[in-house]
Amino acid sequence: GENVEQHPSTLSVQEGDSAVIKCTYSDSASNYFPWYKQELGKRPQLIIDIRSNVGEKKDQRIAVTLNKTAKHFSLHITETQPEDSAVYFCAAYASGTYKYIFGTGTRLKVLA
Amino acid sequence: DTAVSQTPKYLVTQMGNDKSIKCEQNLGHDTMYWYKQDSKKFLKIMFSYNNKELIINETVPNRFSPKSPDKAHLNLHINSLELGDSAVYFCASSQYQGSGNTIYFGEGSWLTVV
Repeated sequence: GENVEQHPSTLSVQEGDSAVIKCTYSDSASNYFPWYKQELGKRPQLIIDIRSNVGEKKDQRIAVTLNKTAKHFSLHITETQPEDSAVYFCAAYASGTYKYIFGTGTRLKVLA
Repeated sequence: DTAVSQTPKYLVTQMGNDKSIKCEQNLGHDTMYWYKQDSKKFLKIMFSYNNKELIINETVPNRFSPKSPDKAHLNLHINSLELGDSAVYFCASSQYQGSGNTIYFGEGSWLTVV
């Protein structure tokens, strides 16, 4: 079945620096890759997503890249701010399984 | 107007008890889910229902029994609670069960078994 690995598990950056979180998936049939942000004590919420027919997508300070050949996708946050501090989850949807498989999460701390 | 609401938000109970968590969505979505988030923050799918029909049942002990009386509700009943059941349980919904659908999570139910 699908497996999604996510690295790093924790990431600390200085305010204003960039943060990169990487995920690898195993099922080549996966075709949709969302990213969720979970603030402390809150629910996970979608922040950006990418489909398998697109290599890169950007929304203001966040961007996601996808390398289908290598089965890698990454979240890039530029000009980080303290409010970016949260746990970030990548996920992959494996076509035919009806499942979203989540990565293990990355705790991002933005130091002021 | 809460899109996905679940109750109770906090639940502390003794081992061996039976408890239920209720979930309702007012988004008109066809698909609902239960996810379990453990102390390490791992998010694991437990069940998925599409239009009241069970689609996914992820090797969850049969002490856990979901019930979907209609497509707007998905409740979770847990029998004979164990210490390892302590976790945050998130109800969620999406418009359809296919690819590309945003999952909307409820606020979570913090279950502590003592």
